[in-house]
Amino acid sequence: DTAVSQTPKYLVTQMGNDKSIKCEQNLGHDTMYWYKQDSKKFLKIMFSYNNKELIINETVPNRFSPKSPDKAHLNLHINSLELGDSAVYFCASSARGRGSTDTQYFGPGTRLTVL
Amino acid sequence: GQQLNQSPQSMFIQEGEDVSMNCTSSSIFNTWLWYKQEPGEGPVLLIALYKAGELTSNGRLTAQFGITRKDSFLNISASIPSDVGIYFCAGPGSGNTGKLIFGQGTTLQVKP
Repeated sequence: DTAVSQTPKYLVTQMGNDKSIKCEQNLGHDTMYWYKQDSKKFLKIMFSYNNKELIINETVPNRFSPKSPDKAHLNLHINSLELGDSAVYFCASSARGRGSTDTQYFGPGTRLTVL
Repeated sequence: GQQLNQSPQSMFIQEGEDVSMNCTSSSIFNTWLWYKQEPGEGPVLLIALYKAGELTSNGRLTAQFGITRKDSFLNISASIPSDVGIYFCAGPGSGNTGKLIFGQGTTLQVKP
């Protein structure tokens, strides 16, 4: 019954590794997002996809590459992980997205720790 | 760029007390949103405001859309321990892309 789910919940890895975080929504929404929450709890948008089309790319390093195989899934792949990538990453979805203020539903987050 | 400033940054109150927090912006927002994030979870929408001057309630929570459209307030009456969490204000970012801009959050702790 989970609306927006993310895996894994926790991810601990070494600097330089490549890792992926998966997100799925079963709400039938058209738009999905990735947010990053830093150690001070500040939430910042990274990407959004609308029906598999990239809409937002907020000056995120190109080591981060979102992939949307279909509109229910938005995965985040990170290459060459750095210490500063340690954060909680939240996936979210909304019914429409662009041009709307539809409610965004957030997943439970993935806590990434880079050692 | 667009920024939302929340105050206070944190509050530690006794159960049963009322709580007030606010959010201000240097630019006009047409929508104000209040989210709550509990430990280990993602933010959950509490109240959405769409019109200047609007006052909306959700149980013990009441939020107001400021007349200037540059601020919003959230009040919690008769706080209980499960009110603990981080409260974020948010508004739509520029460019009509659907992205949200978040304030830095107000952390609320309630002592039973």
